[in-house]
Amino acid sequence: GQNIDQPTEMTATEGAIVQINCTYQTSGFNGLFWYQQHAGEAPTFLSYNVLDGLEEKGRFSSFLSRSKGYSYLLLKELQMKDSASYLCAVRDQWAAGNKLTFGGGTRVLVKP
Amino acid sequence: ETGVTQTPRHLVMGMTNKKSLKCEQHLGHNAMYWYKQSAKKPLELMFVYNFKEQTENNSVPSRFSPECPNSSHLFLHLHTLQPEDSALYLCASSQVRDADTQYFGPGTRLTVL
Repeated sequence: GQNIDQPTEMTATEGAIVQINCTYQTSGFNGLFWYQQHAGEAPTFLSYNVLDGLEEKGRFSSFLSRSKGYSYLLLKELQMKDSASYLCAVRDQWAAGNKLTFGGGTRVLVKP
Repeated sequence: ETGVTQTPRHLVMGMTNKKSLKCEQHLGHNAMYWYKQSAKKPLELMFVYNFKEQTENNSVPSRFSPECPNSSHLFLHLHTLQPEDSALYLCASSQVRDADTQYFGPGTRLTVL
């Protein structure tokens, strides 16, 4: 089975940096995803990590440490439109197809 | 525009009604998924279809009945639901490849009275 933990809520100021942590325990690991979900909208894909290290995509970066069961999503130069929930999801190595288990999501509020 | 559409976007139904949710993907994917998203709870996987075959049923009650007639369409048939089934129901699609990205539809907001 899977167990995924991330903070419920974070607040940050426009222009600042916020780091959202995600820890997981899994019987078999085959990749970690981050999704962004604005209120009332569909989750949209942000990043994918399967090897240790940092993946950078513009203002967003995602880090993975498989030995520690730990990932973070780093949001730089925060903008008001970044106010959303950020979902951490883990893919089970043993699952048929493409089964993802999601964390509860971290709601980020960006203030002026 | 994610290429995954869902209808209806909002649905209110009584506990004795029968209704269906529809999902269509225009991305050429061969895997489709139903998720349930309740307030203050993680996104829960309900069903997985790979190449139109159901490969995952995550202990979902039988009052939810999925149907996948082809790789582009997915239905969720609902009957005798309970108020606690009120939630956002999200459809997603992907390729059946190792850890490929899932693309989500906008969801159907379901309220059971």
